[in-house]
Amino acid sequence: AQKVTQAQTEISVVEKEDVTLDCVYETRDTTYYLFWYKQPPSGELVFLIRRNSFDEQNEISGRYSWNFQKSTSSFNFTITASQVVDSAVYFCALSEGHPTGTASKLTFGTGTRLQVTL
Amino acid sequence: DAGVTQSPTHLIKTRGQQVTLRCSPKSGHDTVSWYQQALGQGPQFIFQYYEEEERQRGNFPDRFSGHQFPNYSSELNVNALLLGDSALYLCASSRSVRDLPGYTFGSGTRLTVV
Repeated sequence: AQKVTQAQTEISVVEKEDVTLDCVYETRDTTYYLFWYKQPPSGELVFLIRRNSFDEQNEISGRYSWNFQKSTSSFNFTITASQVVDSAVYFCALSEGHPTGTASKLTFGTGTRLQVTL
Repeated sequence: DAGVTQSPTHLIKTRGQQVTLRCSPKSGHDTVSWYQQALGQGPQFIFQYYEEEERQRGNFPDRFSGHQFPNYSSELNVNALLLGDSALYLCASSRSVRDLPGYTFGSGTRLTVV
C-alpha cells in the first residue's frame, strides 16, 4: 500500500526566510510519480511539481527547489525567500505508474500549513 | 482555457438525503477523478472515470457512486448522507497518456450535512 507522511503540521516563518517542507513516502512500485500541490484558502489544489521515480535530478525553479532522494524515500520542497503569498497548505502526493497509461490515483499526505508573516 | 469547473460551490443537506455534485474537466482532458477532503486532512481518492467507466475506486462505500458522460463531464452521487460526509469534494481531470503534466483540480464543492 502507498503512504505519504508529512510530519510537519504547521510552520511559521518571517518573510524572506527559507523554508523546507518534508515528505516521506512508501510504495512497493518501482515506477511512481511524486507531486507537490499548494492549497490556498480558496480550496483549489495548485500543481507545483511532478517527478517520476527514474528522475532524481534536483532542480530549482525560481524560488522553488526540490530534493528527491530514493535512498531515503524523501521528496522535500524548499521555498527560498518566502513571501506572504506563499501562505497556504502544501500537500505531497504519490501516484503509481499505471500500465494502461491512464492517470493513477493520488495518495496525499496530511499537509503542512505554512504561515508567512511580515 | 477554462480549468476544471465544479458545481455547486457550496451545499447544505440534511442527514439521509441524497446529493449530486458536478464536474467539467479541463479542455483536452478525458479522465475525471473525485476526492473527499475532510477538514484538516489530505484529499482521499473516491473513484476515477475514463471512457464512461469506473476504472479505479478507493475505500468508500457503495453510497458513493458516479457517472461520466460522453463529453467527459462527471457526476458524483452520495446517497443516505451521514454527518461524516461533510467535506470538500474535489474533482481532478487528467489526460489518459503515460507522460502526465499533472492533475488539474477544481475549487471543490463544500458539502455540509446537518
